[in-house]
Amino acid sequence: DAGVTQSPTHLIKTRGQHVTLRCSPISGHKSVSWYQQVLGQGPQFIFQYYEKEERGRGNFPDRFSARQFPNYSSELNVNALLLGDSALYLCASSQDRGGETQYFGPGTRLLVL
Amino acid sequence: SQQGEEDPQALSIQEGENATMNCSYKTSINNLQWYRQNSGRGLVHLILIRSNEREKHSGRLRVTLDTSKKSSSLLITASRAADTASYFCATDAGGGFKTIFGAGTRLFVKA
Repeated sequence: DAGVTQSPTHLIKTRGQHVTLRCSPISGHKSVSWYQQVLGQGPQFIFQYYEKEERGRGNFPDRFSARQFPNYSSELNVNALLLGDSALYLCASSQDRGGETQYFGPGTRLLVL
Repeated sequence: SQQGEEDPQALSIQEGENATMNCSYKTSINNLQWYRQNSGRGLVHLILIRSNEREKHSGRLRVTLDTSKKSSSLLITASRAADTASYFCATDAGGGFKTIFGAGTRLFVKA
């Protein structure tokens, strides 16, 4: 079975632009979580979606939004990009609600210039 | 803010030695997990220990949990060069919908 996939792998944007990152969970997994990891730090929780509904949200501004589709894939959108948004964005899926074992994708590395 | 704090921040050992990493957290939890990350790639789940468990083993890994002290430790025995990675603890922060990671311990195993 395929693991969690994310696209694109790398992305370069300029300040003020918008970006959409995509994630496909492991088949059968209904929960998707998004994390931001700045170099040298641990992943910071952004969102968790379960059965297409937002179940958890971290301390991120409203410029960050996400959604989950009927096939359980997910998109993370970031508007009005800032230099500080440069990071590795990780997607993780799990069978059930959050708090259980999560399976991570390889991440999307975003650079904002 | 991050729930967990790993200690030490960095650790350098020789192949064959044991490596011990510690994690402290702030709020009540349902479970605590340890993950490994190689060179800024995706995280790999290592082990999950529930709040009613005190110790758990998986291969060369041993995890302990002390809920009274809000702390956990990860022991890697007989380390190998391939164990070189960053190790993170993660907690469910009691609610289940928000996973909080620590800042990580960077382990370097010299061959």
